[in-house]
Amino acid sequence: DTAVSQTPKYLVTQMGNDKSIKCEQNLGHDTMYWYKQDSKKFLKIMFSYNNKELIINETVPNRFSPKSPDKAHLNLHINSLELGDSAVYFCASSQASGLAQETQYFGPGTRLLVL
Amino acid sequence: KNEVEQSPQNLTAQEGEFITINCSYSVGISALHWLQQHPGGGIVSLFMLSSGKKKHGRLIATINIQEKHSSLHITASHPRDSAVYICAVQRTRQFYFGTGTSLTVIP
Repeated sequence: DTAVSQTPKYLVTQMGNDKSIKCEQNLGHDTMYWYKQDSKKFLKIMFSYNNKELIINETVPNRFSPKSPDKAHLNLHINSLELGDSAVYFCASSQASGLAQETQYFGPGTRLLVL
Repeated sequence: KNEVEQSPQNLTAQEGEFITINCSYSVGISALHWLQQHPGGGIVSLFMLSSGKKKHGRLIATINIQEKHSSLHITASHPRDSAVYICAVQRTRQFYFGTGTSLTVIP
């Protein structure tokens, strides 16, 4: 009964490849996020979707494209992978409440290694 | 300069000690979040607060909006509290993260 699940957990791939990471939440939340955690453990938000609509789109290369087929899913597609894309990618979800999103629930992370 | 500064960066404590982690921020916010990242990598949200104080078990989080400062306190620390604690502030739809405080509690 995992609240926020991500697949795959580990992803090792060659430079130049295209890959996708999937995220699903069964909490009924209307907001989902993608975060990147670099090798120095610094967490940075990449995207946020609210009811399938993009609401946060930080400075992220165009090679990264989020896709939300429904409010329970937010997938991350990465084109032309580069060495610098190696990181841990976390998906999260929360329920909107006024100006602030409520407590976020995080997925287990996807460890991406680009060779 | 990062919008969110945490101190200390690293902290080692003896089991049972009272621990304080500080977070200062420079932007106006709608909410502040405290996150815990376990050694295995999993992230758990501990608190979201916009004013005052919240308590959950041995954890207490406070925020002073005027001073743009928040503290996370752990009472009667235990080795299982060893983790990285991350402060994040939310400004409507923007999020800013601190670099984390790595806590090690020694038995």
